[in-house]
Amino acid sequence: DVKVTQSSRYLVKRTGEKVFLECVQDMDHENMFWYRQDPGLGLRLIYFSYDVKMKEKGDIPEGYSVSREKKERFSLILESASTNQTSMYLCASRSGEEEKLFFGSGTQLSVL
Amino acid sequence: GQNIDQPTEMTATEGAIVQINCTYQTSGFNGLFWYQQHAGEAPTFLSYNVLDGLEEKGRFSSFLSRSKGYSYLLLKELQMKDSASYLCADYNDYKLSFGAGTTVTVRA
Repeated sequence: DVKVTQSSRYLVKRTGEKVFLECVQDMDHENMFWYRQDPGLGLRLIYFSYDVKMKEKGDIPEGYSVSREKKERFSLILESASTNQTSMYLCASRSGEEEKLFFGSGTQLSVL
Repeated sequence: GQNIDQPTEMTATEGAIVQINCTYQTSGFNGLFWYQQHAGEAPTFLSYNVLDGLEEKGRFSSFLSRSKGYSYLLLKELQMKDSASYLCADYNDYKLSFGAGTTVTVRA
């Protein structure tokens, strides 16, 4: 089974802090994605990556950046956390040969 | 997904059938996904439709009409464990765009 692991289940940070959310997948997938999930809005794509050192903006990239130095790891960075970034963050991956996404269990981030 | 529309909530009785409808923008469309998400858990894959028609997978079936920009997920013989959020997503430009999800509550 594909395993997508997010390093933290719950995270509490203060406004202005730099925040790193880590995601690791064990299936040698080329493509990795970061979504945030908010009630009534569903999953919204923040950033994605097709390969190592490659990144593409999703629908809501403002306030975020990403890093993909190794194929298995995709990091989401909040340079200066704000209260409106309080959300559930979901990482996902997929191979280059299929469309199906495999999701991690999510990180619930609270910015106070 | 701004272009994905699905009902917010549905309630049904154990053993019954529920149909969750989803509409999407047809421009650039490549396929339609359904995911299930239990509270506090990761979304898990249910189905992927590319061609028109009905695909059955056990108690769950998914239908697609490309010309109408319409899909539905049919849940039969409902069980309590089917209480979850069901996410419709279109595959477009190599990305998945999700609707807000439909919360299904199954009552005894």
